[in-house]
Amino acid sequence: GESVGLHLPTLSVQEGDNSIINCAYSNSASDYFIWYKQESGKGPQFIIDIRSNMDKRQGQRVTVLLNKTVKHLSLQIAATQPGDSAVYFCAEMVFPSGTYKYIFGTGTRLKVLA
Amino acid sequence: GAGVSQSPRYKVAKRGQDVALRCDPISGHVSLFWYQQALGQGPEFLTYFQNEAQLDKSGLPSDRFFAERPEGSVSTLKIQRTQQEDSAVYLCASSLASVPGNTIYFGEGSWLTVV
Repeated sequence: GESVGLHLPTLSVQEGDNSIINCAYSNSASDYFIWYKQESGKGPQFIIDIRSNMDKRQGQRVTVLLNKTVKHLSLQIAATQPGDSAVYFCAEMVFPSGTYKYIFGTGTRLKVLA
Repeated sequence: GAGVSQSPRYKVAKRGQDVALRCDPISGHVSLFWYQQALGQGPEFLTYFQNEAQLDKSGLPSDRFFAERPEGSVSTLKIQRTQQEDSAVYLCASSLASVPGNTIYFGEGSWLTVV
């Protein structure tokens, strides 16, 4: 079925290093993707999005890369800070029967080491 | 309000009890989603509203789950005869337009524990 999954459940990085979080999706018809950050006890917070007509999109310290050929999405965080510690989810927009919804992966926990 | 507001934040229910979870979306947002998030998992889609119309309820796990949005603003997710497997965080999200690609904003969630 349609699914979005992540390769690494936990990622530990040194403060100041760059982080890369990966995500694979299975629906080749999807044309919109979002990355969310979820801190403990809080709801998911929007980070960055990308449409399928783009390969790369940059925000403040974050970059999302989309490879439609292999159905792969990645989130790069530059100069990782302690405040970046959280669980990160990718979400894929799908269109079942005239409506739409977002399918989330299981998440990657990012731990920033001092 | 400034964001999506959910209440109660925490609810402990005895097995068999009915619960009602409220979502107050961002003012003017047309689209409203309910998601269920089990511990250590990603959010799972439950249902979607466009204004007052429930266009997709394919994710509701059983007929014990019911959602409504009668005036196209506040929504309520009701769970009847709660079971232990219903323990999860219930997230509500809203979006300005029904056009796909609009950012959806989540509330803090309602944490349900069934004992």
